[in-house]
Amino acid sequence: DAKTTQPPSMDCAEGRAANLPCNHSTISGNEYVYWYRQIHSQGPQYIIHGLKNNETNEMASLIITEDRKSSTLILPHATLRDTAVYYCIAASISGGYQKVTFGTGTKLQVIP
Amino acid sequence: NAGVTQTPKFQVLKTGQSMTLQCAQDMNHNSMYWYRQDPGMGLRLIYYSASEGTTDKGEVPNGYNVSRLNKREFSLRLESAAPSQTSVYFCASRPQGWYEQFFGPGTRLTVL
Repeated sequence: DAKTTQPPSMDCAEGRAANLPCNHSTISGNEYVYWYRQIHSQGPQYIIHGLKNNETNEMASLIITEDRKSSTLILPHATLRDTAVYYCIAASISGGYQKVTFGTGTKLQVIP
Repeated sequence: NAGVTQTPKFQVLKTGQSMTLQCAQDMNHNSMYWYRQDPGMGLRLIYYSASEGTTDKGEVPNGYNVSRLNKREFSLRLESAAPSQTSVYFCASRPQGWYEQFFGPGTRLTVL
């Protein structure tokens, strides 16, 4: 699995867009980029995933560079409830098994 | 749907004691996973089950055993608990063909 690199922490003002970067320079062609978040000590929650096209859902947008070596998760209007640790993961699915390797993530603090 | 449930929520063991952590999902998912999360760290995969009747080792399997009892249930057993196994344990499941893993609320285990 490709290793991902994220800044350890970021702050964002409430109501502003939060842009969380991730570097995955060794990602292989069959690996998707996933984002999960973990609020306090709860179980991680899936946010979004993509292969090479930009993706958007009700929670966030995912922008993947053309060379796929980096990506950015965008929370368009951050709220206090978005304060969490965000994990960027590169993973593939093989034989029914999805190996998801969590790093230490980015701790996002949304400030009132 | 209750989603992914884990029991117990909290447990304190003495070194050498054994116990089984229970995980169940009611979403008819094929694959199930056990992770551990140490303080300030990301999640690490202990064991996984790609489908009913199969189990395989993950990144940190030593000191653990698993049983995929049926499609719903995937248990994790500590035969002789050690202080190094003090951690938060998360169970997850994933439907076939999907990219998202669904996580349970976790079991907080302390080994004295």
